Amino acid sequence: QKEVEQDPGPLSVPEGAIVSLNCTYSNSAFQYFMWYRQYSRKGPELLMYTYSSGNKEDGRFTAQVDKSSKYISLFIRDSQPSDSATYLCAMATSGTYKYIFGTGTRLKVLA
Amino acid sequence: GAVVSQHPSWVICKSGTSVKIECRSLDFQATTMFWYRQFPKQSLMLMATSNEGSKATYEQGVEKDKFLINHASLTLSTLTVTSAHPEDSSFYICSATLQGNQPQHFGDGTRLSIL
Repeated sequence: QKEVEQDPGPLSVPEGAIVSLNCTYSNSAFQYFMWYRQYSRKGPELLMYTYSSGNKEDGRFTAQVDKSSKYISLFIRDSQPSDSATYLCAMATSGTYKYIFGTGTRLKVLA
Repeated sequence: GAVVSQHPSWVICKSGTSVKIECRSLDFQATTMFWYRQFPKQSLMLMATSNEGSKATYEQGVEKDKFLINHASLTLSTLTVTSAHPEDSSFYICSATLQGNQPQHFGDGTRLSIL
């Protein structure tokens, strides 16, 4: 079993839809939870960074962490064609701060 | 803020040559930099962790004599792929962080093609 599981997609949605992206994990020691967006042939761009449990909102993006279920989510409201990219979740423990990445979910927002 | 620059963005070279990739934090001092490798449609795999002024820590299975990492200053780390072979062809990405519990910021990667 991988430490971090993420559905690779592709996920296709119409413009304006609410998108839900998810990751599950097995290591209960993870304390830091990140979401990155990666366009083709580019490096990952940080979208959200959360510590421990709870929700965090930034513009059209909301990140949720449920440590009891070992489940994190990223919601994108009013999705745009420019949101079409691969979304990577990443997690880290305190101390090492080494990131463990999910495989990424490829999202396509159709105009 | 938090801009990381990586150079070159694409390099093609012959088998047996060595290739150096630079990673710079432009607007902050990075105590730690990381080097990743990414194969097509796969996620990022950490190769090594680099702290300024000390030897890099390599992940299991990564040959430290093949992938030389130097972190000479708080804004620059380099990865040298020595005696590169076609199987070393990949997308190499660096990241940098101000300190351990702060998020990593990534460069735009280097696409390495060995003929």
